[in-house]
Amino acid sequence: DAKTTQPPSMDCAEGRAANLPCNHSTISGNEYVYWYRQIHSQGPQYIIHGLKNNETNEMASLIITEDRKSSTLILPHATLRDTAVYYCIVRVLNNFNKFYFGSGTKLNVKP
Amino acid sequence: NAGVTQTPKFQVLKTGQSMTLQCAQDMNHEYMSWYRQDPGMGLRLIHYSVGAGITDQGEVPNGYNVSRSTTEDFPLRLLSAAPSQTSVYFCASNTKRGTDTQYFGPGTRLTVL
Repeated sequence: DAKTTQPPSMDCAEGRAANLPCNHSTISGNEYVYWYRQIHSQGPQYIIHGLKNNETNEMASLIITEDRKSSTLILPHATLRDTAVYYCIVRVLNNFNKFYFGSGTKLNVKP
Repeated sequence: NAGVTQTPKFQVLKTGQSMTLQCAQDMNHEYMSWYRQDPGMGLRLIHYSVGAGITDQGEVPNGYNVSRSTTEDFPLRLLSAAPSQTSVYFCASNTKRGTDTQYFGPGTRLTVL
């Protein structure tokens, strides 16, 4: 599975969009991009995933570049409750069970 | 649905003691996994299972055993606890169909003295 690179931390003002980047330059054609977040010490929570098209759900949007070597998670209107560590993971769908979590990005949403 | 449940929430052990962390899921998921998370770090995979009776090692399996006798349960055994095993342990499950999203339990915070 491809590895990912994320900035260790980012700040965002409450109510503004939070744009979290992820580099996955060695991604293979059959690997999906997943985003999870971990609020304080809770278990990680699924946010969104995609293969090559941009995706949107009630939580966030995922923008994947055309060459698929990087992606951006967008939280359109960040709230204080979105303060968390955000993990970008790439993996082959249904390839055993190996989600490789890196260190993630700590997003600090400030009032 | 309760989702993924873990017991206990907290545990303190002495070096050399053994114990079992419990994990159960009621979503009929085929896959289950155990992760550990050390302070300030991401999650690392310990063991995983793709179905009842089938388990395999992850990234950091030493010092841990698992078994999967039912679809619902996936206990993690610490054979002889060491201070290096002080960590937060998360269990997760996912189905092999569809989006393959993992669902995580609330975690067990383990301290080994």
